[in-house]
Amino acid sequence: KAGVTQTPRYLIKTRGQQVTLSCSPISGHRSVSWYQQTPGQGLQFLFEYFSETQRNKGNFPGRFSGRQFSNSRSEMNVSTLELGDSALYLCASSSTSGAGEQYFGPGTRLTVT
Amino acid sequence: DQQVKQNSPSLSVQEGRISILNCDYTNSMFDYFLWYKKYPAEGPTFLISISSIKDKNEDGRFTVFLNKSAKHLSLHIVPSQPGDSAVYFCAATDRDDKIIFGKGTRLHILP
Repeated sequence: KAGVTQTPRYLIKTRGQQVTLSCSPISGHRSVSWYQQTPGQGLQFLFEYFSETQRNKGNFPGRFSGRQFSNSRSEMNVSTLELGDSALYLCASSSTSGAGEQYFGPGTRLTVT
Repeated sequence: DQQVKQNSPSLSVQEGRISILNCDYTNSMFDYFLWYKKYPAEGPTFLISISSIKDKNEDGRFTVFLNKSAKHLSLHIVPSQPGDSAVYFCAATDRDDKIIFGKGTRLHILP
């Protein structure tokens, strides 16, 4: 089985722009979660989608949004980028929602200048 | 307020010895705990998990211990090998299935 893929792997944007990141889960997995990783804060949960519905949401501002398509692929959007949004954004898929083993993609490294 | 805490940012252990990584949590509603390992430029990979109804789970060189009364869990790696050098994340889930990660501990295995 192919693993979780994320595109693009690296991205440089300027403040005020918006960005869309993409995640393709493992075939058959219906749950996709997004995380932000920064050196000071570790891995922080953004949101989880299961069967096209947002099941859980972390404590991030409304500038961070996501969606999931019928093929389980997911996109994450960040609008009005700020310098502090520079981070590694990780996507993880799972066959079930919530608790349990997740499989992570390699991440998208976003740099905001 | 951090609900899952890994108080040691880094740990160095001699190859062949035991590595013990610690994790504390504050939310008594957490009912499932996981450990992930992360190499640079890769996403985290699942290592081992434990349900709150157990106090120990073993998988090869990896053992996780859970002390519910102390709200503490630990990951033991024995014997430690060079390939174990990585960042280890502790994670916990509650009944709403929200997953909370700690900030990670960087493990260095010394030759």
